[in-house]
Amino acid sequence: DSGVTQTPKHLITATGQRVTLRCSPRSGDLSVYWYQQSLDQGLQFLIQYYNGEERAKGNILERFSAQQFPDLHSELNLSSLELGDSALYFCASSVPGVETQYFGPGTRLLVL
Amino acid sequence: AQSVTQLDSHVSVSEGTPVLLRCNYSSSYSPSLFWYVQHPNKGLQLLLKYTSAATLVKGINGFEAEFKKSETSFHLTKPSAHMSDAAEYFCVVSEGVKSGNTGKLIFGQGTTLQVKP
Repeated sequence: DSGVTQTPKHLITATGQRVTLRCSPRSGDLSVYWYQQSLDQGLQFLIQYYNGEERAKGNILERFSAQQFPDLHSELNLSSLELGDSALYFCASSVPGVETQYFGPGTRLLVL
Repeated sequence: AQSVTQLDSHVSVSEGTPVLLRCNYSSSYSPSLFWYVQHPNKGLQLLLKYTSAATLVKGINGFEAEFKKSETSFHLTKPSAHMSDAAEYFCVVSEGVKSGNTGKLIFGQGTTLQVKP
């Protein structure tokens, strides 16, 4: 168990809908990273938050957004969902100044 | 820009025989490199990491990897495969956290390890 929690584990929804994925980092970790794992793109970095502030953006679609709250948990919001958004979404956390990231179990999103 | 290339998409070994998963990296500076493992329907677990200390890095479950700068490689090995080693393995390079970098991870495409009885 990495200490990073993600909810829900599975999510099934329809095209055009909006969903929110939640991540709680390990105690003491200020950075939260979101990654998407899909069959065609592999594992890709989406976005990073550090202590409540957006720090970096990767291959994140404009339909996707995220935020990190004062208690350091993070939410990834996916809207106007398309079939191609079906994927496994991971969050990871790390302490400041350390490169090692610890991953949550992921949320498997299926868009029908 | 940094990148990693996993040279085999699929490796099959017999139980009790050695495992070799190959990874080459590209980095403009001394990289931090990792191997993560993903068992079916599970999350990503850190196996080991290299951060410019010893070039031979020991990880969990008997795995180790050797950093070879001259070959820009970071291959993962294990002397004797176990059935429970069957999983997807990812070679990963970090952007680093110094000089304003964010520390985002860049993943290879993954190698599926099959272990036959």
